[in-house]
Amino acid sequence: QLQLQESGPGLVKPSETLSLTCTVSGGSISSSGYYWGWIRQPPGKGLEWIATIYYSGSTYYNPSLKSRVTMSVDTSKNQFSLKLRSVTAADTAVFYCVRHREYYDTSGYYIYFFDYWGQGTLVTVSS
Amino acid sequence: ETQMTQSPSSVSASVGDRVTITCRASQDISNWLVWYQQKPGKAPKLLIYAASTLQSGVPSRFSGSGSGTDFTLTISSLQPEDFATYYCQQANSFPPVTFGQGTRLEIK
Repeated sequence: QLQLQESGPGLVKPSETLSLTCTVSGGSISSSGYYWGWIRQPPGKGLEWIATIYYSGSTYYNPSLKSRVTMSVDTSKNQFSLKLRSVTAADTAVFYCVRHREYYDTSGYYIYFFDYWGQGTLVTVSS
Repeated sequence: ETQMTQSPSSVSASVGDRVTITCRASQDISNWLVWYQQKPGKAPKLLIYAASTLQSGVPSRFSGSGSGTDFTLTISSLQPEDFATYYCQQANSFPPVTFGQGTRLEIK
């Protein structure tokens, strides 16, 4: 059974960089047709997609966060990571790492959705 | 960017009721629509993809329908474990990925 586990500091100071790592177990991060991503959820609010990466290193970012976000992947460790720079209190959220699946639909198109999620880690931005 | 709007924002219902949640896309997304369920303190769980395909292990009381801009999630007979928040997501391409704002299903 595939499992994803987030790790990283739970408290980050304003203006600093938030860094998180997701470790994947029970499957290979290099599997074809699967991307890997990050989603966040501020307390009491909805879901916001942050970024996605393919094992080859191709990255896709939310335009609203693109200037502050970097994703990377380490296939040797079966891990991928997120860096979010210049954080403010508005970045306080539960961060989820996810498997972002590419599914070939009968309509002849690919669709993309999140089929495995980590348990989430709360990151608070505060001095 | 495709905007996703769910209605209602919250709904109260009783065990055994039939409940329908709606998701509307700001442009035609064919059947590229996904539904998730989130319980308090837990990660979201994939319920339905491609508008109507049930994820493995999801009870058959859940169903999805729609195409184009209007979609529905129906729970045919509410069970106690179904009280949660439900999100839709447009799934045709990224970036970006966009979610609806969520619909909270509460016990009446």
